[in-house]
Amino acid sequence: NAGVMQNPRHLVRRRGQEARLRCSPMKGHSHVYWYRQLPEEGLKFMVYLQKENIIDESGMPKERFSAEFPKEGPSILRIQQVVRGDSAAYFCASSPNRDGYTFGSGTRLTVV
Amino acid sequence: DQQVKQNSPSLSVQEGRISILNCDYTNSMFDYFLWYKKYPAEGPTFLISISSIKDKNEDGRFTVFLNKSAKHLSLHIVPSQPGDSAVYFCAASSVGGGSNYKLTFGKGTLLTVNP
Repeated sequence: NAGVMQNPRHLVRRRGQEARLRCSPMKGHSHVYWYRQLPEEGLKFMVYLQKENIIDESGMPKERFSAEFPKEGPSILRIQQVVRGDSAAYFCASSPNRDGYTFGSGTRLTVV
Repeated sequence: DQQVKQNSPSLSVQEGRISILNCDYTNSMFDYFLWYKKYPAEGPTFLISISSIKDKNEDGRFTVFLNKSAKHLSLHIVPSQPGDSAVYFCAASSVGGGSNYKLTFGKGTLLTVNP
């Protein structure tokens, strides 16, 4: 029973490029959450998705960031035209309902 | 605006002694609190939680205490073991407010347990 799988584990992008972060939830989990951890900070909620639906995106920056959780395949967090301030660890979590979630190991994005 | 505060960035204790990690919150809508443990290069792992209707919850070596009037909670680890060395995050959510899925985290406390 694999846990929440995130890939890549490390991602380096130049300023202006696009970053795509993938998250495969645990088997049987239909709720996915994305959090961001900036250096020296706690995790901050970004978005909550169910299959094909965005439930709460109140923590997403208004521009350049988007998330999806299609009917088939992993959830994707997409960051367009990355800037140095986007460098952070991005964690995905999943749950079978609205609580009790399990986190993945994260993707560490470095923008150079 | 930090709604969950962990004022001690680090804590060092001897193996076998008690570790006490503290957390304060400001949002009175929070009614469910969790502690997570995080090793480097891994995701946070759930440790223990407490609802605001309780003032104590215990699970093995881990006990969480909640003081609602002071908006303060603490995690006690007894006895501490070297394998407990990690960053501990306090988190809160609002179940009654309908956003139990959204956790607000503190900045974490790095616990080091020395053999």
